[in-house]
Amino acid sequence: AQTVTQSQPEMSVQEAETVTLSCTYDTSESDYYLFWYKQPPSRQMILVIRQEAYKQQNATENRFSVNFQKAAKSFSLKISDSQLGDAAMYFCAYRSAGTGTASKLTFGTGTRLQVTL
Amino acid sequence: EAQVTQNPRYLITVTGKKLTVTCSQNMNHEYMSWYRQDPGLGLRQIYYSMNVEVTDKGDVPEGYKVSRKEKRNFPLILESPSPNQTSLYFCASSPIAGRGRPYGYTFGSGTRLTVV
Repeated sequence: AQTVTQSQPEMSVQEAETVTLSCTYDTSESDYYLFWYKQPPSRQMILVIRQEAYKQQNATENRFSVNFQKAAKSFSLKISDSQLGDAAMYFCAYRSAGTGTASKLTFGTGTRLQVTL
Repeated sequence: EAQVTQNPRYLITVTGKKLTVTCSQNMNHEYMSWYRQDPGLGLRQIYYSMNVEVTDKGDVPEGYKVSRKEKRNFPLILESPSPNQTSLYFCASSPIAGRGRPYGYTFGSGTRLTVV
């Protein structure tokens, strides 16, 4: 079974600075998808960025980018020019490219990000 | 607007009183799933459905039931709720995964359930 590990329960960053959230995963599959979700106090699950394992190029979405290291099974999220609105819980998640049971999202335990002035 | 509609947002109930949390999606997604979120544990899958009348257990199915009579609806049923089912619940839907196909999940807005 796949597992996702987020080793940083809490992180803090100053406004306008850059922060990197870590995520590692364990799988024996070669084809899969990886996600970062943001959960603000409203508790809505918001997709921040996603990556297909067969693509070598790292995904970027505006101020958000990932460092995908397939061999190391690492998928970190970099937030540049941090804003107060970035304060939230961030979850890393894995999804197999298969179907059935494999279609589920496996989540890490989350990293709470604080943004300070 | 493409969305997953989940109701109610908040629910307080007593032990043993049957309840249903509804979930509906308007994106014609085949795959639907229920998760519960608990502090320090992330989100864990309760049940999922690959299509109408096709459901299966996830990681934490005990105490829950689901049904998929229509493609758009996937209700979560707690026949005899207990305090350990106090949690935040999410419904999510997705197309079937496949290379070149869209693969993202859409989540409902969550249901905060308290069982006393």
